[in-house]
Amino acid sequence: KQEVTQIPAALSVPEGENLVLNCSFTDSAIYNLQWFRQDPGKGLTSLLLIQSSQREQTSGRLNASLDKSSGRSTLYIAASQPGDSATYLCAVRPDGNKLVFGAGTILRVKS
Amino acid sequence: GAVVSQHPSWVICKSGTSVKIECRSLDFQATTMFWYRQFPKQSLMLMATSNEGSKATYEQGVEKDKFLINHASLTLSTLTVTSAHPEDSSFYICSASGGPLAREQYFGPGTRLTVT
Repeated sequence: KQEVTQIPAALSVPEGENLVLNCSFTDSAIYNLQWFRQDPGKGLTSLLLIQSSQREQTSGRLNASLDKSSGRSTLYIAASQPGDSATYLCAVRPDGNKLVFGAGTILRVKS
Repeated sequence: GAVVSQHPSWVICKSGTSVKIECRSLDFQATTMFWYRQFPKQSLMLMATSNEGSKATYEQGVEKDKFLINHASLTLSTLTVTSAHPEDSSFYICSASGGPLAREQYFGPGTRLTVT
């Protein structure tokens, strides 16, 4: 059974810092991995999707990497801003089109 | 594009009553829709997968008679929580995709259900 773990569970940083969020999964047989952002009481916003054949994806200040063989992904946020404060969720697609989510990392960027 | 809406955004109901939540894909045909449940400070747990015109597939431990799912058209799926109890209070999120081979799911904004 696929399990997804995210570390740290919570993170508080001053504005301007670069930071890394970690995601690990137990079964390397995945179609893709996706990072989402969730604001309190809201739905999910897709940030980056990495296909299993890819190593990384970039969008603006965000960069996500994927090492499928070791079951790891990282989300790098450059020059963090208070508006980046949210919960970041990692999800893998093991088969079909189901998603398995991690518990998330709660990020707080202090101004 | 790829917008998914949910209605209502929040609902309060009394214990023992039933509540219906709608999930709509606004600008694409959603062959497959998913229903998730999220407890406070926890991640999303898949409840069921529904394909248009067929019965939903429920995840282990989810009571199909309690959580009725209907996916009668390519743009609408509904989740009915029957005989709701306080422990059913949660955040329910739907997502939609263009089918089993679709690249990704598009998520709705969620519905906060509170059962008193």
